[in-house]
Amino acid sequence: KAGVTQTPRYLIKTRGQQVTLSCSPISGHRSVSWYQQTPGQGLQFLFEYFSETQRNKGNFPGRFSGRQFSNSRSEMNVSTLELGDSALYLCASSNSITGELFFGEGSRLTVL
Amino acid sequence: DQQVKQNSPSLSVQEGRISILNCDYTNSMFDYFLWYKKYPAEGPTFLISISSIKDKNEDGRFTVFLNKSAKHLSLHIVPSQPGDSAVYFCAASGDSGAGSYQLTFGKGTKLSVIP
Repeated sequence: KAGVTQTPRYLIKTRGQQVTLSCSPISGHRSVSWYQQTPGQGLQFLFEYFSETQRNKGNFPGRFSGRQFSNSRSEMNVSTLELGDSALYLCASSNSITGELFFGEGSRLTVL
Repeated sequence: DQQVKQNSPSLSVQEGRISILNCDYTNSMFDYFLWYKKYPAEGPTFLISISSIKDKNEDGRFTVFLNKSAKHLSLHIVPSQPGDSAVYFCAASGDSGAGSYQLTFGKGTKLSVIP
């Protein structure tokens, strides 16, 4: 069974640009969550999608947005990039009532 | 306000000895706790979990203990192996509304197992 796939794995952008990251969940998983990991901050919840609807959102500015498609694939977008947006962005899928998440390898974004 | 805290950023243990990683939480609504392990350049992988109705869960070398009254959980690894060297994240989930699968993570503890 294929795991969670994230693309691209690495990318470099400059301040003010926008970026779109993609995530394909494990087959059959309908929930997709996004997390941001920065040094010393652990994993911070961005948002969660289920059946194409955003079900929950963390404390991030409106520059961070996402969506989910009918095949459960998800994208997240960050507009007007800032230096502080440099991070590892992790996507996770789940099909468990208890919330066990399966993570992808992440997309490492560097903003110059 | 950090709801899940891992107060030790790092821990070094000799191979074969016990590793104990600690985690504290403040939100009494959390009812399910998980530990994830993360190697560099990889996503976190699920290790072990425990429901709030239990106080202990064991899986091979890994045991998680939960003390609800103290809002504290710990992960024991016995015996520790060099391959266990990684960053360990404690995570918690509870009723965040509409059945959402949100996890709240600690900042992680970097475990180094010395051969």
